[in-house]
Amino acid sequence: AQSVSQHNHHVILSEAASLELGCNYSYGGTVNLFWYVQYPGQHLQLLLKYFSGDPLVKGIKGFEAEFIKSKFSFNLRKPSVQWSDTAEYFCAVNAYNQGGKLIFGQGTELSVKP
Amino acid sequence: EAQVTQNPRYLITVTGKKLTVTCSQNMNHEYMSWYRQDPGLGLRQIYYSMNVEVTDKGDVPEGYKVSRKEKRNFPLILESPSPNQTSLYFCASRSRQGSGNTIYFGEGSWLTVV
Repeated sequence: AQSVSQHNHHVILSEAASLELGCNYSYGGTVNLFWYVQYPGQHLQLLLKYFSGDPLVKGIKGFEAEFIKSKFSFNLRKPSVQWSDTAEYFCAVNAYNQGGKLIFGQGTELSVKP
Repeated sequence: EAQVTQNPRYLITVTGKKLTVTCSQNMNHEYMSWYRQDPGLGLRQIYYSMNVEVTDKGDVPEGYKVSRKEKRNFPLILESPSPNQTSLYFCASRSRQGSGNTIYFGEGSWLTVV
C-alpha cells in the first residue's frame, strides 16, 4: 500500500534558523507531491506542489521543496524561519492513477522560538 | 470566490445520535472527499467521490456513510456516532481536469462524541 512518511514529529527551532522537513513516499509510479501547512486553529493551506518539470519547487512564504525521484523524497526547506512559521506541516502524495486521493504523512509540528 | 464550505464547524453530540456534516463546493469539481485528522496520524481519507452517484471507501470508512446526489454536495453521515469518531474532519474537492490540480479543503469540522 502507498504510504507517506514524515521523519520528524516535532521540530523546535529558533528564529532565523534553517529548516528542512523530511518526506518520503512509497509508490513507484508517477506522483504529484504537495506540502500543506496548518496554522493553529486553521484549515489546511497549500504551500507548494510538484507535478512535473523542475524538481526544485518554490512555494509561498519563502518555502521550497526538492523532489528527488531516486530517493522517493520531497523535503521541505526554508533558509530562515520566522516565529509566524509555527504550524503543523503535512506532506501529501497523489498517485497518478488514483484520481483525487491524497495520502498524507503524519505531520510535523514546527515550533519557532522568538 | 472558490470555496469548500462545511457545516457545522463545531459540534458536540452524544453516542448513537445520528448526525450529518454537510460539504458544499462552488467550483463545479468532480472529485470530492472526506478526511479525518487525528494527532500523530495525519489526515486519513474516509470516503471519496469521483462524480455524482459515484462513491467509494477510503482508508477509514467504518462508521461513516456518504452520498453524492448533486455535484456540489457531499455530506458525511454518522449513523451511530461513537467516541472514537471524535476528530477534526475536512472535506476536499478538486477538478478532474488534470490529475495534479490543486485540492481545495474546507475549514474543518470539529466533532466531539461523548
